[in-house]
Amino acid sequence: SQQGEEDPQALSIQEGENATMNCSYKTSINNLQWYRQNSGRGLVHLILIRSNEREKHSGRLRVTLDTSKKSSSLLITASRAADTASYFCATARNSGGSNYKLTFGKGTLLTVNP
Amino acid sequence: DAGITQSPRHKVTETGTPVTLRCHQTENHRYMYWYRQDPGHGLRLIHYSYGVKDTDKGEVSDGYSVSRSKTEDFLLTLESATSSQTSVYFCAIKGGQQETQYFGPGTRLLVL
Repeated sequence: SQQGEEDPQALSIQEGENATMNCSYKTSINNLQWYRQNSGRGLVHLILIRSNEREKHSGRLRVTLDTSKKSSSLLITASRAADTASYFCATARNSGGSNYKLTFGKGTLLTVNP
Repeated sequence: DAGITQSPRHKVTETGTPVTLRCHQTENHRYMYWYRQDPGHGLRLIHYSYGVKDTDKGEVSDGYSVSRSKTEDFLLTLESATSSQTSVYFCAIKGGQQETQYFGPGTRLLVL
């Protein structure tokens, strides 16, 4: 069963606008991660936020985490055409030792129009 | 792609035939993973490995087996391919003490 669910499924914006994607999950987590996937490529890790953190920034990315609501959001500011991709949230739970199982959502397809 | 290669990159096969996909890494990572990606399902974990000869099942392991005889290679085998196994398969590694995963370029498999 999917742990994370992204919303919306698809988002189309103009270059320069901000894009916000949301992720909801069901069980306790160690951390939550966001990945990007360009068409026909593998996933690329963007940012990780731990369960005891509320907000994290990396360049034009801002991630928030609300563990009481079991939700996270990814904000991309000043979007560019190159940001066009699918974005996935993944919840991480420790499964023993240093292994963390990631459970991915279905993704949000972001299209940034020039 | 963090030194991860997958082969083949594309494959067309017929129902009932065996298929083996290979994942190769060059950085001596302990943990390796196989996922499949399907429209409407995101990525789902098939099997993972936590060392040579050490493997475990993931969420959708039925119909798949894996082997890891060397640190650098993680093989995924479909013993008798079915049309429901048509998918894009991704290999991933976990980098050291970090909790993030690094993905290979994927293998697109079509089972006719």
